[in-house]
Amino acid sequence: DAGVIQSPRHEVTEMGQEVTLRCKPISGHDYLFWYRQTMMRGLELLIYFNNNVPIDDSGMPEDRFSAKMPNASFSTLKIQPSEPRDSAVYFCASSRTNTEAFFGQGTRLTVV
Amino acid sequence: GNSVTQMEGPVTLSEEAFLTINCTYTATGYPSLFWYVQYPGEGLQLLLKATKADDKGSNKGFEATYRKETTSFHLEKGSVQVSDSAVYFCAPLYNFNKFYFGSGTKLNVKP
Repeated sequence: DAGVIQSPRHEVTEMGQEVTLRCKPISGHDYLFWYRQTMMRGLELLIYFNNNVPIDDSGMPEDRFSAKMPNASFSTLKIQPSEPRDSAVYFCASSRTNTEAFFGQGTRLTVV
Repeated sequence: GNSVTQMEGPVTLSEEAFLTINCTYTATGYPSLFWYVQYPGEGLQLLLKATKADDKGSNKGFEATYRKETTSFHLEKGSVQVSDSAVYFCAPLYNFNKFYFGSGTKLNVKP
């Protein structure tokens, strides 16, 4: 298996623009997680899904953030409009129930 | 609520020194316990795990024992190498399959 695949690896955008991050989980995994990592706040759980259904989105910072999982092999995290404080590394991870999570390589987002 | 407390870093050691990174978790139920490692510019990778009390997880010379009585899962290595320089995260897995990641401990190993 190729592991969790995220795209793009790097994204630079201007403030106010829409940004869409993509994730392909490992086949057969029933949980998918979106995390954000910054120096100041560390690793934060934004939202996670079970069988494509959002279970907990309490970590989503505000309404500008939204996440979808239309099927078992694809998820998106969208920021609209983007702001400089959204600059961070965004990780997607997937797991089977009650087992370790596997992380993607992350998307480094820079909003200027 | 559920949480995890991890030793603050950075930790700076000389090569071949003994390493301990402390981790304690809240005792809500019996979580599975994990240590992850993050090398510069990469995602987190599973280092080791333990799923029940007194289990010892081990990998690449690292070890951690699930201590229910002290709600701890301290990471140890007898002799660190420069290549072990990374950030280490402790992560209990509670009900509803939710991971709680510690703040991360940066380890710097000097030759």
